Parts: sequence; C-alpha cells; structure tokens
Amino acid sequence: NAGVTQTPKFRILKIGQSMTLQCTQDMNHNYMYWYRQDPGMGLKLIYYSVGAGITDKGEVPNGYNVSRSTTEDFPLRLELAAPSQTSVYFCASSSEIRNTIYFGEGSWLTVV
Amino acid sequence: KNEVEQSPQNLTAQEGEFITINCSYSVGISALHWLQQHPGGGIVSLFMLSSGKKKHGRLIATINIQEKHSSLHITASHPRDSAVYICAVGSNSNYQLIWGAGTKLIIKP
Repeated sequence: NAGVTQTPKFRILKIGQSMTLQCTQDMNHNYMYWYRQDPGMGLKLIYYSVGAGITDKGEVPNGYNVSRSTTEDFPLRLELAAPSQTSVYFCASSSEIRNTIYFGEGSWLTVV
Repeated sequence: KNEVEQSPQNLTAQEGEFITINCSYSVGISALHWLQQHPGGGIVSLFMLSSGKKKHGRLIATINIQEKHSSLHITASHPRDSAVYICAVGSNSNYQLIWGAGTKLIIKP
C-alpha cells in the first residue's frame, strides 16, 4: 500500500524561487493537510482540505498556496521562497477527523 | 494557555521502566490521537481514542472525557521506544487537529 506519498524528499531553493511540493494519497480520504515542522518544534498547519475543490487556511498560510482538484492530490506551492520557509513539510490525510491520520515521509526544504 | 498540554516535555528512563506521558486539553473534542515521531522524522499514528482505553502490544492509551485528560503508557520500555510522542485532538468545532508540543522520550539501555 502506497498510503501518502510526498515528493521531493529533499530540495534546496534559492531565495525568490518557486516550487511545488506534491502530495498524493491512494486511500480515497477526504481530509488532507499540509504541516510544517521547524527544528525542535511541533507541527504547524499550513492549509487543509475537506474534499476536492475545498481548501482552507491553517495557522501559517502566508507564502503558500494549495489546490485540491482531485481527491487524491493536494499540492503545496511556495511562491517567492524565503529563508523563513526552511523547514520539514509533512502532508497527511484521513477519512475524517475521528479516524486514523496517515502521514507522508516528509520533505526537507532549505532556502538559501 | 495552549489548548493541548503535554507533560513531561522531556523524559529519560532506563530500559524496562514503566512510562507515562500525559495530555490535557481544554476544548470539546471528537477524538484524541497519539502519534510517534522517530528521529529522522517519520510520523506514525499509534492510537485514536474517543472513550475508554486501547492497547497495542506494550502501548496502552486511556482517555477520561470528563476530566479532559489522556495518558499514554509504555510497559517494559526499550531503547527502540525512544522517540517524540505527540498528542493531538480533533476539535468539535472545525476540521482541524490541535497539536500538543510533544514529549521527547529517551530510553537508556
């Protein structure tokens, strides 16, 4: 079972560049989330989606955009990368908030 | 005050000891999750609770809805249990999970 797949695993970006972190899940989950985790800190919610065509901001959305055109895919776009966006990014999904949440392996992003 | 509080923040114990990690929350919840994050980053769901108690191997999770408190216990702890343990609650009022700061557990051989 693939579960939640994130790509790329590692990326170095220059300040001002843009990129998209890909996330796909094969469990037909409605709920999908993007989190960032800074060193030694907890998870912070960037954006979430409760179904195709529906997205909403989390705690730290500035500098990011998302889309949810299909149930499976929930890409996270970084526009004009800044050093403050250096972090580990996790995509997660669940069928609903009362059910098990599944995480991708994480994407390590460094902005220099 | 954070809506989800975990204690202790850090815990170091000897192999074989009984471990307890606590989670208190202040909001109405639909479910409470315990997750494990190993060094290197991967996050794995351990339990999802809405009432009572669940057991999986050496791990036991309990929740007291009236007291808004949950505990994660590890029996016969082993160095491979060393990880960060995270409590998260599913809020009644929206679709988001509210995360605790995590408890870093180190089990020494």
